[in-house]
Amino acid sequence: SAVISQKPSRDICQRGTSLTIQCQVDSQVTMMFWYRQQPGQSLTLIATANQGSEATYESGFVIDKFPISRPNLTFSTLTVSNMSPEDSSIYLCSVEDQLAGPYEQYFGPGTRLTVT
Amino acid sequence: GIQVEQSPPDLILQEGANSTLRCNFSDSVNNLQWFHQNPWGQLINLFYIPSGTKQNGRLSATTVATERYSLLYISSSQTTDSGVYFCAYYNYGQNFVFGPGTRLSVLP
Repeated sequence: SAVISQKPSRDICQRGTSLTIQCQVDSQVTMMFWYRQQPGQSLTLIATANQGSEATYESGFVIDKFPISRPNLTFSTLTVSNMSPEDSSIYLCSVEDQLAGPYEQYFGPGTRLTVT
Repeated sequence: GIQVEQSPPDLILQEGANSTLRCNFSDSVNNLQWFHQNPWGQLINLFYIPSGTKQNGRLSATTVATERYSLLYISSSQTTDSGVYFCAYYNYGQNFVFGPGTRLSVLP
């Protein structure tokens, strides 16, 4: 299965600042996904990132707040902009690993963000 | 969209006990997966199980797609089984939609 790493693993940030989270995969994948998990909650999809095209955002998430880059088939970044305490969450990237099996999705270890 | 329910929301077990976690869907779904999120936040794939039954060690899963539910069985539970268990279905927008989860605590 795909091996996914994320940086940073955790961070504490000041209100009003921005943080960029990196996601690296050990194999080429077509689609990468970014999820948010608020404290004690389930996972919610933020956006889907395809290489070479604009990310597709889910309802309630906008590009100005969560800009995403996808420069190649193994890497993506998610920026959380102008942060507020409500952005305190775990942010996870995931990929669909079709070599492992159709429709099987694998997750990175997550980035635990606290905004003060 | 399709609604996902998981039961129970919380479960406390003594080490060695067995348990059954349930996932219900409001409509037919495809390509169901079960995940375990450990206390450090890492999500681990347990089963990809669109239908039928699979077993992996002490864990097994059954999906009855026609009746819109899936079950996850944990036998002889261990403290390392603690965490949150999510079921998720594949949305043909090509992403998974997650249920609310079952939080399991296994006590020594």
